[in-house]
Amino acid sequence: NAGVTQTPKFQVLKTGQSMTLQCAQDMNHNSMYWYRQDPGMGLRLIYYSASEGTTDKGEVPNGYNVSRLNKREFSLRLESAAPSQTSVYFCASSDADTGSPYEQYFGPGTRLTVT
Amino acid sequence: RKEVEQDPGPFNVPEGATVAFNCTYSNSASQSFFWYRQDCRKEPKLLMSVYSSGNEDGRFTAQLNRASQYISLLIRDSKLSDSATYLCVVLTGRRALTFGSGTRLQVQP
Repeated sequence: NAGVTQTPKFQVLKTGQSMTLQCAQDMNHNSMYWYRQDPGMGLRLIYYSASEGTTDKGEVPNGYNVSRLNKREFSLRLESAAPSQTSVYFCASSDADTGSPYEQYFGPGTRLTVT
Repeated sequence: RKEVEQDPGPFNVPEGATVAFNCTYSNSASQSFFWYRQDCRKEPKLLMSVYSSGNEDGRFTAQLNRASQYISLLIRDSKLSDSATYLCVVLTGRRALTFGSGTRLQVQP
Protein backbone atom coordinates (compact mmCIF):
# COMPACT_ATOMS: atom_id res chain seq x y z
CA ASN A 1 0.00 0.00 0.00
CA ALA A 2 1.98 2.99 -1.30
CA GLY A 3 -0.60 5.69 -0.42
CA VAL A 4 -0.18 8.69 -2.74
CA THR A 5 2.66 8.67 -5.23
CA GLN A 6 3.87 11.53 -7.40
CA THR A 7 6.26 11.71 -10.32
CA PRO A 8 8.65 13.27 -10.94
CA LYS A 9 10.20 14.28 -7.60
CA PHE A 10 12.23 17.10 -9.16
CA GLN A 11 11.97 18.96 -12.46
CA VAL A 12 13.64 21.95 -14.06
CA LEU A 13 11.87 23.58 -17.00
CA LYS A 14 12.62 26.51 -19.23
CA THR A 15 10.00 29.22 -19.63
CA GLY A 16 7.43 28.14 -22.21
CA GLN A 17 8.00 24.41 -21.88
CA SER A 18 5.15 22.11 -20.95
CA MET A 19 4.99 19.17 -18.61
CA THR A 20 2.56 16.92 -16.76
CA LEU A 21 2.82 16.03 -13.09
CA GLN A 22 1.48 12.58 -12.34
CA CYS A 23 -0.33 11.51 -9.18
CA ALA A 24 -1.81 8.15 -8.20
CA GLN A 25 -3.43 6.81 -5.03
CA ASP A 26 -4.18 3.25 -4.05
CA MET A 27 -6.56 3.94 -1.15
CA ASN A 28 -9.74 3.88 -3.26
CA HIS A 29 -10.42 7.52 -2.37
CA ASN A 30 -13.01 9.47 -4.32
CA SER A 31 -11.51 12.94 -3.94
CA MET A 32 -8.15 14.15 -5.17
CA TYR A 33 -6.44 17.53 -5.01
CA TRP A 34 -3.51 19.49 -6.37
CA TYR A 35 -1.85 22.14 -4.21
CA ARG A 36 1.17 24.35 -4.58
CA GLN A 37 3.29 25.47 -1.65
CA ASP A 38 5.38 28.63 -1.74
CA PRO A 39 7.43 30.14 1.09
CA GLY A 40 5.24 32.20 3.42
CA MET A 41 2.07 31.37 1.48
CA GLY A 42 0.97 28.01 2.83
CA LEU A 43 -0.60 25.42 0.58
CA ARG A 44 -2.95 26.82 -2.05
CA LEU A 45 -5.45 24.71 -3.90
CA ILE A 46 -5.03 24.62 -7.67
CA TYR A 47 -7.72 22.12 -8.71
CA TYR A 48 -9.64 19.32 -7.12
CA SER A 49 -11.71 16.38 -8.24
CA ALA A 50 -14.56 15.32 -5.98
CA SER A 51 -15.06 12.10 -7.91
CA GLU A 52 -14.02 10.35 -11.08
CA GLY A 53 -15.10 12.41 -14.08
CA THR A 54 -15.39 15.75 -12.28
CA THR A 55 -12.90 18.55 -11.71
CA ASP A 56 -13.24 21.99 -10.17
CA LYS A 57 -11.05 25.06 -9.92
CA GLY A 58 -9.45 25.96 -6.64
CA GLU A 59 -7.87 29.20 -5.49
CA VAL A 60 -5.07 29.46 -8.10
CA PRO A 61 -6.04 27.57 -11.31
CA ASN A 62 -4.61 29.94 -13.92
CA GLY A 63 -1.88 28.37 -16.03
CA TYR A 64 -2.84 24.80 -15.13
CA ASN A 65 -5.08 22.05 -16.43
CA VAL A 66 -6.01 18.75 -14.82
CA SER A 67 -7.27 15.36 -15.87
CA ARG A 68 -8.92 12.79 -13.62
CA LEU A 69 -7.93 9.83 -15.70
CA ASN A 70 -9.67 7.26 -13.50
CA LYS A 71 -10.36 6.84 -9.81
CA ARG A 72 -6.68 6.32 -9.03
CA GLU A 73 -4.99 8.97 -11.13
CA PHE A 74 -5.14 12.77 -11.24
CA SER A 75 -2.64 14.65 -13.37
CA LEU A 76 -1.67 18.31 -13.47
CA ARG A 77 -0.47 19.91 -16.69
CA LEU A 78 1.49 23.11 -17.21
CA GLU A 79 0.99 24.08 -20.85
CA SER A 80 3.51 26.93 -20.96
CA ALA A 81 5.60 27.13 -17.81
CA ALA A 82 6.41 30.51 -16.27
CA PRO A 83 8.92 31.39 -13.51
CA SER A 84 5.96 32.22 -11.24
CA GLN A 85 5.09 28.52 -11.32
CA THR A 86 8.31 27.62 -9.53
CA SER A 87 6.97 25.86 -6.44
CA VAL A 88 6.51 22.59 -4.63
CA TYR A 89 3.45 20.75 -5.90
CA PHE A 90 1.54 18.33 -3.68
CA CYS A 91 -1.15 15.91 -4.68
CA ALA A 92 -3.56 14.69 -2.02
CA SER A 93 -6.53 12.40 -1.72
CA SER A 94 -9.33 11.91 0.77
CA ASP A 95 -12.30 9.69 1.34
CA ALA A 96 -14.66 12.65 1.23
CA ASP A 97 -17.87 10.69 0.94
CA THR A 98 -17.38 8.24 3.77
CA GLY A 99 -15.06 7.91 6.69
CA SER A 100 -13.07 10.99 7.53
CA PRO A 101 -13.48 13.46 4.68
CA TYR A 102 -11.11 15.99 6.14
CA GLU A 103 -8.04 13.89 6.51
CA GLN A 104 -6.15 14.42 3.32
CA TYR A 105 -3.26 12.11 2.50
CA PHE A 106 -0.46 13.83 0.66
CA GLY A 107 2.11 12.61 -1.80
CA PRO A 108 5.81 13.42 -1.30
CA GLY A 109 5.68 16.44 -3.60
CA THR A 110 7.29 17.57 -6.84
CA ARG A 111 9.85 20.37 -6.67
CA LEU A 112 9.55 22.36 -9.88
CA THR A 113 11.89 25.13 -10.97
CA VAL A 114 11.11 27.23 -14.05
CA THR A 115 14.04 29.26 -15.37
CA ARG B 1 -6.38 39.60 4.76
CA LYS B 2 -5.45 35.92 4.70
CA GLU B 3 -8.21 33.45 5.52
CA VAL B 4 -6.01 31.67 8.04
CA GLU B 5 -3.19 33.49 9.81
CA GLN B 6 -0.38 32.08 11.90
CA ASP B 7 2.76 33.45 13.49
CA PRO B 8 5.54 31.96 11.31
CA GLY B 9 7.97 31.68 14.25
CA PRO B 10 10.38 30.07 14.64
CA PHE B 11 9.63 29.10 18.20
CA ASN B 12 12.88 27.85 19.73
CA VAL B 13 12.22 25.93 22.94
CA PRO B 14 14.26 23.54 25.11
CA GLU B 15 13.30 19.90 25.47
CA GLY B 16 10.62 19.45 28.10
CA ALA B 17 9.14 22.91 27.60
CA THR B 18 5.49 23.68 27.00
CA VAL B 19 4.76 25.69 23.88
CA ALA B 20 1.55 27.08 22.44
CA PHE B 21 0.64 28.27 18.96
CA ASN B 22 -2.37 30.31 17.96
CA CYS B 23 -4.10 30.69 14.65
CA THR B 24 -6.90 33.04 13.59
CA TYR B 25 -9.39 32.55 10.81
CA SER B 26 -11.43 35.20 9.03
CA ASN B 27 -14.56 33.39 7.91
CA SER B 28 -17.10 33.03 10.70
CA ALA B 29 -18.89 30.35 8.65
CA SER B 30 -15.90 28.01 8.93
CA GLN B 31 -17.06 24.63 10.05
CA SER B 32 -14.15 22.40 10.92
CA PHE B 33 -10.63 22.92 12.12
CA PHE B 34 -7.45 20.88 12.14
CA TRP B 35 -3.77 20.93 12.88
CA TYR B 36 -1.44 19.34 10.35
CA ARG B 37 2.27 18.75 10.87
CA GLN B 38 4.88 19.16 8.14
CA ASP B 39 8.45 18.03 8.57
CA CYS B 40 11.18 19.80 6.62
CA ARG B 41 10.88 19.05 2.88
CA LYS B 42 8.14 16.48 3.53
CA GLU B 43 4.42 16.32 2.95
CA PRO B 44 1.84 17.57 5.51
CA LYS B 45 0.15 14.99 7.73
CA LEU B 46 -2.93 15.33 9.93
CA LEU B 47 -1.98 15.82 13.59
CA MET B 48 -5.41 16.27 15.12
CA SER B 49 -8.87 17.70 14.63
CA VAL B 50 -10.04 20.59 16.80
CA TYR B 51 -13.40 20.36 18.53
CA SER B 52 -15.40 23.11 20.19
CA SER B 53 -15.07 21.44 23.56
CA GLY B 54 -11.31 21.16 23.21
CA ASN B 55 -9.52 17.87 22.76
CA GLU B 56 -6.35 16.20 23.86
CA ASP B 57 -4.13 13.58 22.27
CA GLY B 58 -1.28 12.63 24.56
CA ARG B 59 0.96 15.68 24.95
CA PHE B 60 -1.06 17.72 22.46
CA THR B 61 -4.13 19.81 23.31
CA ALA B 62 -6.20 21.71 20.77
CA GLN B 63 -8.73 24.43 21.58
CA LEU B 64 -11.25 26.33 19.50
CA ASN B 65 -12.72 29.74 20.34
CA ARG B 66 -15.47 30.45 17.83
CA ALA B 67 -16.37 33.84 19.31
CA SER B 68 -12.85 35.15 18.79
CA GLN B 69 -12.21 32.97 15.73
CA TYR B 70 -9.00 31.45 16.89
CA ILE B 71 -7.57 27.98 17.33
CA SER B 72 -4.72 26.97 19.56
CA LEU B 73 -2.34 24.05 19.87
CA LEU B 74 -0.51 23.32 23.11
CA ILE B 75 2.42 20.91 23.22
CA ARG B 76 3.59 19.76 26.65
CA ASP B 77 6.94 18.16 27.47
CA SER B 78 8.39 18.99 24.04
CA LYS B 79 10.56 16.36 22.37
CA LEU B 80 13.26 16.84 19.76
CA SER B 81 11.00 14.91 17.39
CA ASP B 82 8.32 17.61 17.72
CA SER B 83 10.49 19.95 15.63
CA ALA B 84 8.41 20.66 12.54
CA THR B 85 6.09 23.22 11.01
CA TYR B 86 2.53 23.15 12.35
CA LEU B 87 -0.19 24.10 9.88
CA CYS B 88 -3.54 25.45 11.00
CA VAL B 89 -6.25 24.24 8.62
CA VAL B 90 -9.87 25.30 8.19
CA LEU B 91 -12.79 23.87 6.25
CA THR B 92 -15.29 26.47 5.06
CA GLY B 93 -18.32 25.23 3.21
CA ARG B 94 -16.63 23.17 0.53
CA ARG B 95 -14.63 20.01 0.32
CA ALA B 96 -11.25 21.64 0.08
CA LEU B 97 -9.22 22.81 3.05
CA THR B 98 -7.61 26.22 3.58
CA PHE B 99 -4.13 26.04 5.06
CA GLY B 100 -2.29 28.62 7.11
CA SER B 101 1.32 29.24 6.19
CA GLY B 102 2.52 27.42 9.28
CA THR B 103 4.39 27.99 12.54
CA ARG B 104 7.87 26.55 12.76
CA LEU B 105 8.91 24.85 16.00
CA GLN B 106 12.50 23.99 16.82
CA VAL B 107 13.03 21.98 20.00
CA GLN B 108 16.58 22.17 21.24
CA PRO B 109 18.50 19.71 23.44
